[in-house]
Parts: sequence; C-alpha cells; structure tokens
Amino acid sequence: EVQLVESGGGLVKPGGSLRLSCAASGFTFSDYTMNWVRQAPGKGLQWVSSIDSTSTYIYYADSLKGRFTISRDNAKNSVYLQVNSLRAEDTAVYFCAEGDSYGMYYWGQGTLVTVSS
Amino acid sequence: DIQMTQSPSSLSASVGDRVTITCRASQGIRNDLGWYQQEPGKAPKRLIFSASTLQSGVPSRFSGSGSGTEFTLTISSLQPEDFATYYCLQHNSYPRTFGQGTKVEIK
Repeated sequence: EVQLVESGGGLVKPGGSLRLSCAASGFTFSDYTMNWVRQAPGKGLQWVSSIDSTSTYIYYADSLKGRFTISRDNAKNSVYLQVNSLRAEDTAVYFCAEGDSYGMYYWGQGTLVTVSS
Repeated sequence: DIQMTQSPSSLSASVGDRVTITCRASQGIRNDLGWYQQEPGKAPKRLIFSASTLQSGVPSRFSGSGSGTEFTLTISSLQPEDFATYYCLQHNSYPRTFGQGTKVEIK
C-alpha cells in the first residue's frame, strides 16, 4: 500500500522557518517525481514545487522562488520542503504528492503550517 | 505560464442531476489534464487523467472530454457522495497550474 506521510508543520512566527518532510512507502520512490502542493484555509489548491527522481530538474512557483527549497533523499524515501522567511499568507496545509506521467496520483494527508505572531 | 480558468466556481444540484464543469487553458495543453475531487479535510483524489481516461476504481458516472484548450468534467447522475470540490490540473508544462475549483453543493 502506498503511503505518503507529511510532518514538520506547526505554528511559526512571521520571518521564521520550517522544514517539512514527506516519508514515502509502498512504491519505488527513486523512480518518481515528487511534488508539494498547498492549500490555504478555505482556498483552492496551489502547486508549490516539483523535483524529479534524480534531483536534476527542480521547479518552483514563481511567487515562492528564493524562499522555498525542495530536496529529496532517495536512500531515505523522503522529500523535503525548506520554507524560509515565512509570511501570514504562507499559512496552509502542505501536501506532498507522487508525480506520475499524468499529473499527481498518490497524495499524503498534509501538514498544517500556521504563520502567526 | 499556463492559466487554467475553471467554471463555475460553485453550483447547487440535486441527487440524480447531470453536472458539467469546464476548464479552459490559456494555451494548448494537448490532453495533459486531470480532474481531482476533494472532500473537506481530505487530500485530493484523481478521477480522470489524460483529459478523458477514468482512473481505476472511479465510478463510470464520471467522464472527461476535451483537448487543446477546452475541457469538461461531467457527472452523469449526481450521487450523495459526489458533493465535494473539483479541480482541474494541467501537467503539460511547469509551473503546474490548478483551476480555481468548483464546489458542488446540495440543492
């Protein structure tokens, strides 16, 4: 059974940082692109970042470039999102999702990041 | 960047109704589009990929059509478990972009 389990969210002050993690199991992690998608409270889905299977190709939403960094460790079956200089508008549930040839199929349940003083 | 314009943003319908949701891409994306269903508090679930291919295990009342810039998700006979929010996602190019979502509510 495929599982994606996010962790690392929490309450952080504006300007703070967090490292989100997503632990994968049940599939050959090193074969797949991985994605982060976020959803602000009551809002729609926003793609954040993608990293290909070998970390060769990395993409970010333009509005987040410079503050967010995606990485992966295939030996640990994990993908990470370092989020810096957090703002109130970064408050959201952050999902990781496995990327196949047709978009995103397996999703985790998400981790909530709340940015507030 | 490719913009995805989804409509309507919400709709009210009754059990048994036929429902249609549309996504329009700002430029051609071939058939590189998926449809996702999201229930409150849950992760999205992919219903359709490649614009018209039903994901395994998804009821046949869901169907997708379109290519290029115009895409449609149709629910042929709305069931109680279908009341949720639906999103399209283009995976033709980066940045990936979702439609704004369509909330399907009970009439």
